[in-house]
Amino acid sequence: EIVLTQSPDTLSLSPGERATLSCRASQSISTYLAWYQQKAGQAPRLLIYDVSNRATGIPARFSGSGSGTDFTLTISSLEPEDFAVYYCQQRSKWPSTFGQGTRLEI
Amino acid sequence: QLQLVESGGGVVQTGGSLRLSCAASGFTFTTSGMHWVRQAPGKGLEWVAFIRYDGTRTYYADSVNGRFTISRDNSKNTVYLQMNSLRSDDTAVHYCAKNFFDYGDNAGPFHAWGQGTMVTVSS
Repeated sequence: EIVLTQSPDTLSLSPGERATLSCRASQSISTYLAWYQQKAGQAPRLLIYDVSNRATGIPARFSGSGSGTDFTLTISSLEPEDFAVYYCQQRSKWPSTFGQGTRLEI
Repeated sequence: QLQLVESGGGVVQTGGSLRLSCAASGFTFTTSGMHWVRQAPGKGLEWVAFIRYDGTRTYYADSVNGRFTISRDNSKNTVYLQMNSLRSDDTAVHYCAKNFFDYGDNAGPFHAWGQGTMVTVSS
C-alpha cells in the first residue's frame, strides 16, 4: 500500500503567520491527493482535493500544491479557528491511505 | 442539506459482531459511492471499506478483509458495515463518508462525513 508521511508532526505558530504542511508519498500518486482538517471531537472536513482544488466553502487562505510524491498544504495567514489536526489522503490506488497527521498548535 | 447519520455502535466482546448503519439524506444516494473510515482513540484516520454506487463492487482494508462486509440499500438510502470477529484493535469511532465523485470506483476524496459511532471491543 502507499504510505503517506506528513511533516512535521507538530507545528507551533501564531495567528497571522503562514503555515506550510508537507505530505510525502512512498510512490507516485500523480495529483490524487486530498487534505482534511479535524478539530477535537469533530469529524474531519475536506479542505482540498486533487492537490489544489478547494472544497466548497473553504477559504482562499488554504491552498495546495505538488505532484508525484511531494505535496504541500499552505495556510497563508492563520486564523484562530485553523488550529487543528491536518491529514493528507491519497486516492491513486486501493487501499486509500492517510498520513499520520500534523497537529497545528498555537 | 447533505447529512449522514451513523448508528449501531456500542460495546461488544472480543470475537463478537456488530452492524453499523449510516442513513443518508440531502443528496442523490443512488449515484454516490460510500466509505467507512475509522479512528482509534487518540490516533489517526484509517480507511476501512468502500461500496460502489450500485453495490456491485466493494473494497476493504487488509486489516478488516474477511471480517467486515459493507453493503447498501438504495431504497432506504442506507449503507451498512457488518463487523464480525471483532478484535480489540477495532475499537474506534467509525465514520461513514460520501465519495466526492459520483459513479465509478474512487478511493476518495471523502466529501462529507457523519458524526461517527463508537465501537468498543472489550475482553
